[in-house]
Amino acid sequence: AQSVTQLGSHVSVSEGALVLLRCNYSSSVPPYLFWYVQYPNQGLQLLLKYTTGATLVKGINGFEAEFKKSETSFHLTKPSAHMSDAAEYFCAVTLTGGYNKLIFGAGTRLAVHP
Amino acid sequence: KAGVTQTPRYLIKTRGQQVTLSCSPISGHRSVSWYQQTPGQGLQFLFEYFSETQRNKGNFPGRFSGRQFSNSRSEMNVSTLELGDSALYLCASSLEGRRDEQFFGPGTRLTVL
Repeated sequence: AQSVTQLGSHVSVSEGALVLLRCNYSSSVPPYLFWYVQYPNQGLQLLLKYTTGATLVKGINGFEAEFKKSETSFHLTKPSAHMSDAAEYFCAVTLTGGYNKLIFGAGTRLAVHP
Repeated sequence: KAGVTQTPRYLIKTRGQQVTLSCSPISGHRSVSWYQQTPGQGLQFLFEYFSETQRNKGNFPGRFSGRQFSNSRSEMNVSTLELGDSALYLCASSLEGRRDEQFFGPGTRLTVL
């Protein structure tokens, strides 16, 4: 079965430090890959996505992610954390033939401290 | 352009009751998907509707049902509520063929007492 694994349910960084949130997927075919962010009491906002083409994708708020097929990974990074980045982050995939069904990882809660 | 709207935003029910949640997609979007978010199970896919037809379904009991109207608005219904149904219910909409671009609503927070 297809699955998404996010390593680390909680990540804490200092303001200005590198943010690295890890995501691995299992799929027999390359899926579409996504990172979503969720702020308290809100829905999900798309940060970035990989479908085809360039494996390094840039998203909103300075985030980027690299699709590595050989490692089945799609880690999210941001060079310098800001206090406003504190939120929960979800990695997700959709599969060909699965219509719009998103399969989510368990989420990583990012804390940013001064 | 208005985003995805969900009503109500908050709901409190008691065990055994039933509930109906509503989702209005972005104008022009004909695909609507529903998800349940709980601390224990995370985000789980409930079902997807397109052109008034359910075309994909997650692994939930028959107490969970949905429908879509000709204007693409969707409702989901949960009958005989259980404590474990307490969750944030999210819907997402997209244009046909655009599984790469789905927009989520703010969710309905359901509490079952």
